[in-house]
Amino acid sequence: NAGVTQTPKFRVLKTGQSMTLLCAQDMNHEYMYWYRQDPGMGLRLIHYSVGEGTTAKGEVPDGYNVSRLKKQNFLLGLESAAPSQTSVYFCASSYGWDGTEAYNEQFFGPGTRLTVL
Amino acid sequence: DQQVKQNSPSLSVQEGRISILNCDYTNSMFDYFLWYKKYPAEGPTFLISISSIKDKNEDGRFTVFLNKSAKHLSLHIVPSQPGDSAVYFCAEGPSASGYALNFGKGTSLLVTP
Repeated sequence: NAGVTQTPKFRVLKTGQSMTLLCAQDMNHEYMYWYRQDPGMGLRLIHYSVGEGTTAKGEVPDGYNVSRLKKQNFLLGLESAAPSQTSVYFCASSYGWDGTEAYNEQFFGPGTRLTVL
Repeated sequence: DQQVKQNSPSLSVQEGRISILNCDYTNSMFDYFLWYKKYPAEGPTFLISISSIKDKNEDGRFTVFLNKSAKHLSLHIVPSQPGDSAVYFCAEGPSASGYALNFGKGTSLLVTP
């Protein structure tokens, strides 16, 4: 099993350009998440999905859009990139939440380092 | 306002000694607390978790303690090894989002030989 994979690993954009980050998981997880990590800020939730065809906003959703057309894929889009979106982006997935400790574990991808000039 | 606080940005410990990483939280409604470990250029990996109905959970060299009255949890690593050098994040969940985790800012642990 590959777990959670992310493409691309690195990307440099100019202000105003658009791009899509792809996340794929092969663990048949229902829930998927996009986080961003900035220096001294920890991980902050951008958007998440609790199943195919559903998405919801997280803590810092502005400037991003997401889609979950297939259960195994979760796409993060930047329509018009801004320097403030320079960050490392992590995708994660989990079985979900049914009150069981084991199901809280989220599995993370290796990250995408994005620089917006 | 950060709901999960890791007040020590960094910690240095000698190999073989105990490492203690601390985390404070503000909201008592969360049922689980988790610790993640992150190496440079890699994604975070799950380390250990604890349910709010427990006050201790052990997994090998790693033990997490939960003090609900003080809204404090700590991760103990005994004995510490150089391979433990990483950034450690504590997280609480489920969050107001319903499913995702609220992460602290992380503590960078350096274990010296």
